[in-house]
Amino acid sequence: AQSVTQPDIHITVSEGASLELRCNYSYGATPYLFWYVQSPGQGLQLLLKYFSGDTLVQGIKGFEAEFKRSQSSFNLRKPSVHWSDAAEYFCAVGSNDYKLSFGAGTTVTVRA
Amino acid sequence: DVKVTQSSRYLVKRTGEKVFLECVQDMDHENMFWYRQDPGLGLRLIYFSYDVKMKEKGDIPEGYSVSREKKERFSLILESASTNQTSMYLCASSPSQAPYNEQFFGPGTRLTVL
Repeated sequence: AQSVTQPDIHITVSEGASLELRCNYSYGATPYLFWYVQSPGQGLQLLLKYFSGDTLVQGIKGFEAEFKRSQSSFNLRKPSVHWSDAAEYFCAVGSNDYKLSFGAGTTVTVRA
Repeated sequence: DVKVTQSSRYLVKRTGEKVFLECVQDMDHENMFWYRQDPGLGLRLIYFSYDVKMKEKGDIPEGYSVSREKKERFSLILESASTNQTSMYLCASSPSQAPYNEQFFGPGTRLTVL
C-alpha cells in the first residue's frame, strides 16, 4: 500500500522569503503525486500534480514541485512567499485505483 | 467550475443520534469520496463510490455507512454518533476512475458530538 510522509508539521517563513515543503512517498510502481492547499475554513484546492514527463512541475499561485525518484520525494517550492500563502499543505499519492493517500499536512505561517 | 457543496458547515449532535451529512456535486462526476480530517493525521478515506448505488469501504469505515441513490449526491451516515466521531468531514468528487485525476473538494462539515 502507498503512503506519504510530510516530515515538517509546522513551518514559519518571512514574507518574501523562499519556501520548501518536503514530501516523501512509498509506492512500488510509478506514483501519481499531488500537492493540495487548504486555507482556513476552506476545502482543499489542487496546486499541482505529477504523473509522467518533466520532473519539474509548475502549479498555480507560483508553486512548483520536483519529482525525484531516487529519493522518493516530491518537494514543493515557492521562491517568494506572500502572506496569503499561510495555509495547510497536503501531499498525496495515487495508485492504480482512484484513491489518494494523504500525508499528515504541513502548516505554513507567514510572518510580516 | 466544478462545485462540491456540503449541507452544513457546522453541526452539533448528541451521542447516540443518527447523523446525515450530505454532499452534492454539479459536474456529473462518477466518483465521490468521504474523508475525515483530524490534526496530525491528514485525510483518511471513509468510503467512496464509483457509480450510483455502488460503494466501497475506505481505510476507516467502522461506525459509518453511505448512500448514493443519485449520481450527484453522496450521503454519509453515522448510525449512532459517538464522541470519537467529532471531526472535520470532507467530501470530494472526480470525473473518472483514472488515478491521476484531480479530486474536487467541498468546504467541509465540522461535526461535534457531545
